[in-house]
Amino acid sequence: NAGVTQTPKFQVLKTGQSMTLQCAQDMNHNSMYWYRQDPGMGLRLIYYSASEGTTDKGEVPNGYNVSRLNKREFSLRLESAAPSQTSVYFCASSRTYNEQFFGPGTRLTVL
Amino acid sequence: EDKVVQSPLSLVVHEGDTVTLNCSYEVTNFRSLLWYKQEKKAPTFLFMLTSSGIEKKSGRLSSILDKKELFSILNITATQTGDSAIYLCAVYRNDYKLSFGAGTTVTVRA
Repeated sequence: NAGVTQTPKFQVLKTGQSMTLQCAQDMNHNSMYWYRQDPGMGLRLIYYSASEGTTDKGEVPNGYNVSRLNKREFSLRLESAAPSQTSVYFCASSRTYNEQFFGPGTRLTVL
Repeated sequence: EDKVVQSPLSLVVHEGDTVTLNCSYEVTNFRSLLWYKQEKKAPTFLFMLTSSGIEKKSGRLSSILDKKELFSILNITATQTGDSAIYLCAVYRNDYKLSFGAGTTVTVRA
C-alpha cells in the first residue's frame, strides 16, 4: 500500500518548456487535489477532482491544466513554464470531505 | 473572498512549555476544519473538527472549534523537540475545496 505517489521528485525546466507531473493513489479515494506551496503562503489549491470524470479550478489555476485519467491517477501539466511556477507541488487524495493524504511532493525550479 | 488566518506566524518555546495556536476563518459554506503538521516534507493529518465545543485529543495535542466565533485552537502540552514543525489549519467548503492558512512555525528548543 504505497498511498499517494508523485513523479518526478525534482525537476528543473527552462522558461517556456512543458512538463507533466504525475500522481497516483491506491486507496480507492474519490477526490484528488493539486497544490503548490511557496514560502510563507501555506498550500494553495491549483485544481481538484471531486470524483472520476470531473475537474474544477482552485485558487491559482492559471498556467496549469489537469487530467483525471482514471480513479487512481490525476496529472498536472505546465504547458509553458514560467519562473513564477517555481514551487513545491503536492498531490493529495481523500474520500469525499475527509482527511486528505499527501504525496511526497515535487520540487520544481523554472529558470 | 475566503480567508483562513493563523496566528502567530512563528514562535519559539522551550521543551516542556505549552503552546496554543490560533486559526480564524471567513469561509462561505463551511463544512469542517482540519489541522495538519508539516516537517520538511508532506503534511500529515492531525484533527478534523465539524462541531463546536467538542475537544479532540491525541496524546499531548488537542483542538477545539468555535463555529459561532469562527475560530479553532490547537494546543500542544509538554512540548518536545519533535513537535518542531509548521502547523497548518485548513477549512473544507461544501464544494469540496480545502483552503489552507499560511501556517504557524513552531520551534521547540531543548
